[in-house]
Amino acid sequence: DSGVTQTPKHLITATGQRVTLRCSPRSGDLSVYWYQQSLDQGLQFLIHYYNGEERAKGNILERFSAQQFPDLHSELNLSSLELGDSALYFCASSVGQGTTEAFFGQGTRLTVV
Amino acid sequence: GQQLNQSPQSMFIQEGEDVSMNCTSSSIFNTWLWYKQDPGEGPVLLIALYKAGELTSNGRLTAQFGITRKDSFLNISASIPSDVGIYFCAGRNSGAGSYQLTFGKGTKLSVIP
Repeated sequence: DSGVTQTPKHLITATGQRVTLRCSPRSGDLSVYWYQQSLDQGLQFLIHYYNGEERAKGNILERFSAQQFPDLHSELNLSSLELGDSALYFCASSVGQGTTEAFFGQGTRLTVV
Repeated sequence: GQQLNQSPQSMFIQEGEDVSMNCTSSSIFNTWLWYKQDPGEGPVLLIALYKAGELTSNGRLTAQFGITRKDSFLNISASIPSDVGIYFCAGRNSGAGSYQLTFGKGTKLSVIP
């Protein structure tokens, strides 16, 4: 158990809908990273938050947004969902901004039908 | 986005054999990481490398940070059935203050008892 908790574990939704994925980082970790894992693209970095502030953006679509709350949990919002958004979404956390010992949650498997 | 070339894509080996996999990049990284992912789980950090030429071991696993900073390899000695999974390399380049990881597409390892 990495200590990073993601909910829900599975999500099935229809195209055009909006979903929210939740991540609770390990106790004491200030950084949260979101990654998307699809079969053809592998693990792709989406966004990084540190202590409530956005620090870096990767290949995140405009239909996607995220935030980190004062209690350090983070949410990833995916809207106007398309079939191609079906993937595993992982959250990882680390103590600082530059530390690379990021620990991953078990992921949320999103299926868009 | 930036990609790492990880090879081989998959491998089947006999229990007890040694395994070698590698990652190459067209860009320089200042950190290399190796993760293992089991089905239904998030990636788990195996080894972190921070210096060019560094050779680090973790039990039966040994990884090296290439001298050019553009490659890394992972060796697993005397493989056992629980080594089955997908192994990912990841690189980090802290230029422009970014801390996200760039992942390879993974090496799927199957061990035949």
